[in-house]
Amino acid sequence: SQQGEEDPQALSIQEGENATMNCSYKTSINNLQWYRQNSGRGLVHLILIRSNEREKHSGRLRVTLDTSKKSSSLLITASRAADTASYFCATAPVAAGNKLTFGGGTRVLVKP
Amino acid sequence: AAGVIQSPRHLIKEKRETATLKCYPIPRHDTVYWYQQGPGQDPQFLISFYEKMQSDKGSIPDRFSAQQFSDYHSELNMSSLELGDSALYFCASSLRAAFFGPGTRLTVL
Repeated sequence: SQQGEEDPQALSIQEGENATMNCSYKTSINNLQWYRQNSGRGLVHLILIRSNEREKHSGRLRVTLDTSKKSSSLLITASRAADTASYFCATAPVAAGNKLTFGGGTRVLVKP
Repeated sequence: AAGVIQSPRHLIKEKRETATLKCYPIPRHDTVYWYQQGPGQDPQFLISFYEKMQSDKGSIPDRFSAQQFSDYHSELNMSSLELGDSALYFCASSLRAAFFGPGTRLTVL
């Protein structure tokens, strides 16, 4: 399996609901980053959480990191139709130097 | 704020041709990454540079090469193009968090 696996692979919710997606990884990391990608477009950096941090907020986004379980979660609160996108986690493993490894992504559809 | 610039944004090539993609990182960022993303796939790491020296290599074919120049811009050179090289190619730069450019969409016919 690859570093940075995500679940679920797809999520469909109504506007106003919360969306939660998870990311698991295998090796020790320096940090973990979450990105959003609209279809065929670039990757937009959302949030970076360092290995010594447990939780981080940015607007309607909340990221948690559990290094003992090697997992992270991204919560989008009060979702909007504009949040429809694919969300990727990317890990910066300690042993990998300058390399970000992406997981498979979670496709989120927010229905108006 | 300045972002990562990639050129060209779109490129159409024939099989066996050569392509050169360019990336201009955010000023003062010390690391540049190249990624390839096929249709419906997650981004795959190709190669990275730290302070103009190659620092990590991923699943980059031997037909591809990359370098980072003294002005910190980077180029990805792709030769003997194959149909399977059709993809989005992203460049990213970082000091800590990595910021991605808009990508170059390469279509090989």
